[in-house]
Amino acid sequence: GQQVMQIPQYQHVQEGEDFTTYCNSSTTLSNIQWYKQRPGGHPVFLIQLVKSGEVKKQKRLTFQFGEAKKNSSLHITATQTTDVGTYFCGRKTSYDKVIFGPGTSLSVIP
Amino acid sequence: SAVISQKPSRDICQRGTSLTIQCQVDSQVTMMFWYRQQPGQSLTLIATANQGSEATYESGFVIDKFPISRPNLTFSTLTVSNMSPEDSSIYLCSVGQGYDGNTIYFGEGSWLTVV
Repeated sequence: GQQVMQIPQYQHVQEGEDFTTYCNSSTTLSNIQWYKQRPGGHPVFLIQLVKSGEVKKQKRLTFQFGEAKKNSSLHITATQTTDVGTYFCGRKTSYDKVIFGPGTSLSVIP
Repeated sequence: SAVISQKPSRDICQRGTSLTIQCQVDSQVTMMFWYRQQPGQSLTLIATANQGSEATYESGFVIDKFPISRPNLTFSTLTVSNMSPEDSSIYLCSVGQGYDGNTIYFGEGSWLTVV
């Protein structure tokens, strides 16, 4: 299947610094989804991107889908302690099942 | 949005026993999905629970180990059979029912520790 990889695996930032996680695929993706999982919590859907070059923003979060639809990024501006968690990218199939990437674990140092 | 309730939320199980996890959704959905998340890992799909037919299992997962029931459009169960410590994981139920057709919802998860 279409596997997605994520980098970095872990990221530690000082509060107020920016953070970016990247999702890469060797094949073209029909869509890319992003999720956040807080420590001890369950994954929460953030967004889906489907168009080449698409950029969407949610407050301090910016999501991009690459022109070739093989990569995506999630950028957080001025991180806060509430941003702590693991961010997963994934591909949703036509039947609502999701193939997840390995995730990037974000720690924010106050 | 969909509200998903899972039971139990947490359990400690003896090696060799079986445990059934329940998933209740507050609205009717065609498909329900069961995922496993091993400690520090990503989510892996176990199977798709279809109402009125047998579950569809992903590669590496078999019905004898993870029997699934789907008696109606709002409820499903996943049983983890003959448990070993390697089965210690979070088991998550999921549905897709966003108004935009894209949003996927997860239950809070069932955290199983096998000793």
